[in-house]
Amino acid sequence: ILNVEQSPQSLHVQEGDSTNFTCSFPSSNFYALHWYRWETAKSPEALFVMTLNGDEKKKGRISATLNTKEGYSYLYIKGSQPEDSATYLCASNTGGFKTIFGAGTRLFVKA
Amino acid sequence: NAGVTQTPKFRVLKTGQSMTLLCAQDMNHEYMYWYRQDPGMGLRLIHYSVGEGTTAKGEVPDGYNVSRLKKQNFLLGLESAAPSQTSVYFCASSPTGSYATNEKLFFGSGTQLSVL
Repeated sequence: ILNVEQSPQSLHVQEGDSTNFTCSFPSSNFYALHWYRWETAKSPEALFVMTLNGDEKKKGRISATLNTKEGYSYLYIKGSQPEDSATYLCASNTGGFKTIFGAGTRLFVKA
Repeated sequence: NAGVTQTPKFRVLKTGQSMTLLCAQDMNHEYMYWYRQDPGMGLRLIHYSVGEGTTAKGEVPDGYNVSRLKKQNFLLGLESAAPSQTSVYFCASSPTGSYATNEKLFFGSGTQLSVL
């Protein structure tokens, strides 16, 4: 994989549903994997930064895992709320400023 | 608690016009960056700066110039705008630029630029 790929591109869920997205990234020369949350008309905000294979991070109802050997990360949202509606970006750094952003997964949570 | 502030938020230009986007951060960060975000694509790095008075090219630098005369400000210039430069532009900063490790980026809220 040469690029960072995120799936799905968009996702519609009902309030209370749990959901997850995938970020696939180049597994060679891996340094760090970042997840950002971006609400329309606002600044993207960092959720997690992970560097080690097997890393798991959690922030409230949102958690993420990292597999650097196979080149993927999962983001999980438990009990989605309308305020979780946003675009979730992941970015992989392969050294220095060689950072590749994915196109994002846009989440819509319906009340 | 301003963080990273971008001005303007919206702008419409005609082909060939010039403009400057201003980014200001009040966190005393060393590193600053300009990205563009296009539909269906990830953020792409245009230029970055590792400190006051320095600039460097990113992934897509053509058609843009930057300056970092003061540590807190990073300016992005378009000398002769083209329709291909229609995009959302994000400024970001980081404390020391150790982006390869645990250092996250702090983003501005973006500038929507349309070039007709």
